[in-house]
Amino acid sequence: DIQMTQSPSTLSATVGDRVTITCRASQSIGALLAWYQQKPGKAPKLLIYKASSLESGVPSRFSGSGSGTEFTLTISSLQPDDFATYYCQQYNSYWTFGQGTKVEIQ
Amino acid sequence: EVQLVESGGGLIQPGGSLRLSCAASGFSVTNSYMSWVRQAPGKGLEWVSIIYSGGNTYYAYSVKGRFTISRDNSENTIYLQMKSLRAEDTAVYFCARARDILAGFDTWGQGTLVTVSS
Repeated sequence: DIQMTQSPSTLSATVGDRVTITCRASQSIGALLAWYQQKPGKAPKLLIYKASSLESGVPSRFSGSGSGTEFTLTISSLQPDDFATYYCQQYNSYWTFGQGTKVEIQ
Repeated sequence: EVQLVESGGGLIQPGGSLRLSCAASGFSVTNSYMSWVRQAPGKGLEWVSIIYSGGNTYYAYSVKGRFTISRDNSENTIYLQMKSLRAEDTAVYFCARARDILAGFDTWGQGTLVTVSS
């Protein structure tokens, strides 16, 4: 099984900050990685797929990069609506999520 | 509008069975990759099962042999039949769609809570 490890688990930031979340795969997954945003009591929302493709309707302040085993999600200027938990997901071999990164208000 | 609506959750005793439904609208489930993802209370997301547009099915190791995913093309609905339920199956179960197998899960339902407890 492919394991996905996100860091950090929690991130404290303020509005306007540049935020970066890292996701590492236990083996190469090419670019078959997605990022999701989830708010309490809500379903996840797809932000990025194929490592760097922005889902339609998602603000351009979100971007993804990486390939192989190391990936990043960057929020260029954190907005109030962005405080949430973020998950990476590999879909190279079955589907596995990272443990999540909670972005909270500093 | 593309939409997924889950139903069928509830309180069930350990060892019991339950069937979840996911009604789709705005697209055809036969042309998509339909999955179930669950989230235990206060925990992260766990992929459970998927049915491909061609009908192939796949399961997480934790549910293989106990859960069965299926679809009704005429009702445009996906099902998850769960048996031999355990306390660790307690979770919100989300239905999700991948419009393309390379594109991630782009549409999600609101989730339905399954509680396994005596």
